[in-house]
Amino acid sequence: AQSVTQPDIHITVSEGASLELRCNYSYGATPYLFWYVQSPGQGLQLLLKYFSGDTLVQGIKGFEAEFKRSQSSFNLRKPSVHWSDAAEYFCAVNTGFQKLVFGTGTRLLVSP
Amino acid sequence: DVKVTQSSRYLVKRTGEKVFLECVQDMDHENMFWYRQDPGLGLRLIYFSYDVKMKEKGDIPEGYSVSREKKERFSLILESASTNQTSMYLCAGTWRGGRGYTFGSGTRLTVV
Repeated sequence: AQSVTQPDIHITVSEGASLELRCNYSYGATPYLFWYVQSPGQGLQLLLKYFSGDTLVQGIKGFEAEFKRSQSSFNLRKPSVHWSDAAEYFCAVNTGFQKLVFGTGTRLLVSP
Repeated sequence: DVKVTQSSRYLVKRTGEKVFLECVQDMDHENMFWYRQDPGLGLRLIYFSYDVKMKEKGDIPEGYSVSREKKERFSLILESASTNQTSMYLCAGTWRGGRGYTFGSGTRLTVV
């Protein structure tokens, strides 16, 4: 069955430091991959998505992600974290019929 | 982008009540989904629909049903609410062949 693994439940990063959130997926075909962010009490906001082509995709708020087929990974990165980036981040894969399967999420804490 | 509206942000219901969660999107086609979000479990798919009067079970359909009488409206029904259905419920609509997803802001349901 298709699945998404986000191995880090919590990550703490100092403001201004770089960030990488890990995501591994299990899916037989070429995946459609997504990263979403959720602030407390809010819905999900799309950060970026990958369908095909260039494996490095740029998103909103200065985020980027790199698709690595050989590693079945789609890690999210940001060169310099801001306090407003503190939130929960979800990786997801489109498994067909446009259904999304989500990882369990990574909560990002930003220290001053 | 598609706009997805969930009619209630917060609901408190009693055990055994029949509960309706409403979701409306502003396009009259494409698929709609209901997810449930719980801490440490991410988002799990309850039901989805790709046309009027059509529905498909997701990963956790037990205790839920859905209704789609019009393309723009997709309702989640808890026939007899139980305390283990206390959760955040998120509705989503897709567009552009599954390349775009929009989530509603969520309904936090508490069953007492």
